[in-house]
Amino acid sequence: QKEVEQNSGPLSVPEGAIASLNCTYSDRGSQSFFWYRQYSGKSPELIMFIYSNGDKEDGRFTAQLNKASQYVSLLIRDSQPSDSATYLCAVNGGTGFQKLVFGTGTRLLVSP
Amino acid sequence: EAQVTQNPRYLITVTGKKLTVTCSQNMNHEYMSWYRQDPGLGLRQIYYSMNVEVTDKGDVPEGYKVSRKEKRNFPLILESPSPNQTSLYFCASSPTGGNTEAFFGQGTRLTVV
Repeated sequence: QKEVEQNSGPLSVPEGAIASLNCTYSDRGSQSFFWYRQYSGKSPELIMFIYSNGDKEDGRFTAQLNKASQYVSLLIRDSQPSDSATYLCAVNGGTGFQKLVFGTGTRLLVSP
Repeated sequence: EAQVTQNPRYLITVTGKKLTVTCSQNMNHEYMSWYRQDPGLGLRQIYYSMNVEVTDKGDVPEGYKVSRKEKRNFPLILESPSPNQTSLYFCASSPTGGNTEAFFGQGTRLTVV
């Protein structure tokens, strides 16, 4: 079982719609959860982080965490073509939870 | 400006010719790491360092070496590169490790022929 799993996509949504990206993780002890956005050929950049169960909102982005279900998601409201990118879920893990373990990413396509 | 700087950005080399990819950060972060990114496999950690002179293997360390003699620098060394090390490499730093935000360098696209 992979430590962090994401659907590779592509997830296609029309401009203005809500994009929902999902991620599951295997290590119940994980405490920190991150969403990174990566444009093709560029480096990942942090979008959101969440540590506690529930929702965390930042502008058009909402991260949702459910530790009981080992599930974290990212909602993007009012999706824009510039949101088209690969979204990487990352979870802390490893001995002492010092590692950051990445999923393989979900490719999002927002059509005008 | 806070940043992680990798060099070179692009490199084509031949099998067996030793190379070093440099990484430097100016944020006084304790934790630094190297990842490789391959299609369908995502970001995989090669090595990480929790502080000066403290390094440990990640998930795919074979064929790589690192050193951490200064807090700001964390070079990646390929002593005898092989074609299966052709990849996109990222250096990252974070304040204290996996529970904090990672800042990534611009990436190094390495081709080994």
